[in-house]
Amino acid sequence: EVKLVESGGGLVEPGGSLRLSCAASGFTFTYAWMNWVRQAPGKGLEWVGRIKSKTDGGTIDYAAPVKGRFTISRDDSKNTLYLQMDSLETEDTAVYYCTRITVFRGVWDAFDIWGQGTMVTVSS
Amino acid sequence: QSVLTQPPSVSGAPGQRVTISCTGSSSNIGSPYGLHWYLQLPGTAPKLLIYGDTNRPSGVPDRFSGSKSGTSASLAITGLQAEDEADYYCQTYDGSLSAWVFGGGTKVTVL
Repeated sequence: EVKLVESGGGLVEPGGSLRLSCAASGFTFTYAWMNWVRQAPGKGLEWVGRIKSKTDGGTIDYAAPVKGRFTISRDDSKNTLYLQMDSLETEDTAVYYCTRITVFRGVWDAFDIWGQGTMVTVSS
Repeated sequence: QSVLTQPPSVSGAPGQRVTISCTGSSSNIGSPYGLHWYLQLPGTAPKLLIYGDTNRPSGVPDRFSGSKSGTSASLAITGLQAEDEADYYCQTYDGSLSAWVFGGGTKVTVL
């Protein structure tokens, strides 16, 4: 079964740090491009960032609101994706999902597998 | 304010057809990146419903169909069922922003 399981969420004070993990199983993680997407309470979906596979260069891109504060990394030996979040702000409060990107028909990048999400609350 | 614009809500009776619009610009929907739709049932993670404008992943019923023209796209649900009550999001890549963008989401209510 193809599966993504996030962990590491919790309550943190503004200015603090948190590291999320996403354990992948059921597919070849080494070749997968992976994303983080977040959803604030009662709001819509927001893309956070993407990391390509090392075989495709390992390029990492971030959304503007998190650039310079968040860092995406991966450990292919552990089939795990990470999101290091520093200088957290109250606006970062959200459920964080990790997702797999699949390039359908060699053309379209879509997020085909989603984890169950982990809640991050930034509050004093 | 989302880059892609969706109506906040649509509703229909069981068995009816409803459509959800998604409007963007030349740098996103109007570009050949592919428009995708996701379904989010209450309290669960989103699920890919349509990819590449019109294509359904394996297991998605053919009651769901997508279309695209210019800088707009639509999701149609025919034969509406109670289990279709959920939030629906459109998504694509924006070449000007160099970022994936989502619509604000549309809540479908089955009357």
